[in-house]
Amino acid sequence: RKEVEQDPGPFNVPEGATVAFNCTYSNSASQSFFWYRQDCRKEPKLLMSVYSSGNEDGRFTAQLNRASQYISLLIRDSKLSDSATYLCVVKKGFQKLVFGTGTRLLVSP
Amino acid sequence: EAGVVQSPRYKIIEKKQPVAFWCNPISGHNTLYWYLQNLGQGPELLIRYENEEAVDDSQLPKDRFSAERLKGVDSTLKIQPAELGDSAVYLCASSESGSNTGELFFGEGSRLTVL
Repeated sequence: RKEVEQDPGPFNVPEGATVAFNCTYSNSASQSFFWYRQDCRKEPKLLMSVYSSGNEDGRFTAQLNRASQYISLLIRDSKLSDSATYLCVVKKGFQKLVFGTGTRLLVSP
Repeated sequence: EAGVVQSPRYKIIEKKQPVAFWCNPISGHNTLYWYLQNLGQGPELLIRYENEEAVDDSQLPKDRFSAERLKGVDSTLKIQPAELGDSAVYLCASSESGSNTGELFFGEGSRLTVL
């Protein structure tokens, strides 16, 4: 079993839709959690951190459920520019980040 | 401020040939990572440096892969000899030592094709 698991998708949604991605992790000792975004043939970039209390950044909301060991990302009012791969990232130990396989999102007009 | 710089961007070689990738991290970033990314997969850590010390190389296939960061700044990753299965994107990333933000700054990657 992989340490960080994601549905690879693709998720095909129309503009304006709300879409949610989930991610599960296997190591209960994991300390911190993040979502990265990777555009096609580009490098990954930090989208947002995930806090225990949940956090929001504009149209994006991230939540953490430690008991069930899953992380979610909700995107409201999807834009064409949101089309990308969203990577779930778990930090375990000092500076050790483990990436999921990514979930691909395609937003269509 | 310049980001993480990698070269070459693309490399095509025949199997059994050697190849080397170079990375220049963001100035002041003491932590440097090399990741491997296969198509449709997330990045997988090969090696992590704190200054010039390799502190995590457990996932580096040491029979054919080697890396160095002699002066604690630039780094090179070498494969010798390359195999067909090594075709992938090799990503270099850097971060500030002790940073708890989880933010890695990646270079654009070196795309390797082994024929």
